[in-house]
Amino acid sequence: GESVGLHLPTLSVQEGDNSIINCAYSNSASDYFIWYKQESGKGPQFIIDIRSNMDKRQGQRVTVLLNKTVKHLSLQIAATQPGDSAVYFCAEEAQGGSEKLVFGKGMKLTVNP
Amino acid sequence: GAVVSQHPSRVICKSGTSVKIECRSLDFQATTMFWYRQFPKKSLMLMATSNEGSKATYEQGVEKDKFLINHASLTLSTLTVTSAHPEDSSFYICSARDSFRGKETQYFGPGTRLLVL
Repeated sequence: GESVGLHLPTLSVQEGDNSIINCAYSNSASDYFIWYKQESGKGPQFIIDIRSNMDKRQGQRVTVLLNKTVKHLSLQIAATQPGDSAVYFCAEEAQGGSEKLVFGKGMKLTVNP
Repeated sequence: GAVVSQHPSRVICKSGTSVKIECRSLDFQATTMFWYRQFPKKSLMLMATSNEGSKATYEQGVEKDKFLINHASLTLSTLTVTSAHPEDSSFYICSARDSFRGKETQYFGPGTRLLVL
């Protein structure tokens, strides 16, 4: 069941700094990974994805790094802006075509102006 | 492109009543949609996979008779919370994937906030 009193991990950065959000995934059979951004009261918004045959992928101001050896995923945001303030979730999809996503616990990013 | 809508965005109902939530893919077709539940400050938990034209697949611990899912067309899935109780109060989010174009990414709706009194 749900644990009472747990809060989301929080990362606070200054506007203009680079942010790094980390995620450990559990299933070594996962072959597709996605980062989502969720603002308060809204649904998750796709940011960037990466397949397991890659270790790095870049988008606009964002980079995702995948380390399959230690089952670690990270999201780097360059020149963080106040509009980047949100909760960030990583999600993994196991190979085999189930299409089901398993979400990580989330990290709250706060950007201070 | 890849817009998913949900209706209603918020609903308040009395205990014992049923509530229907709609999820629509607006600019693509989806043979599969997903329903998630999210508690405050928590992650998304998959409740069920909605399959167009067939029965939904429920995750372990989710009561299928409590959370009725209908996926009647390639752009619409509905979740009905039957005989709602206060513990059903939560944020319900759907997602859909543009599987016809072979795209893997799931796109999420804006969510429905349910409050059961």
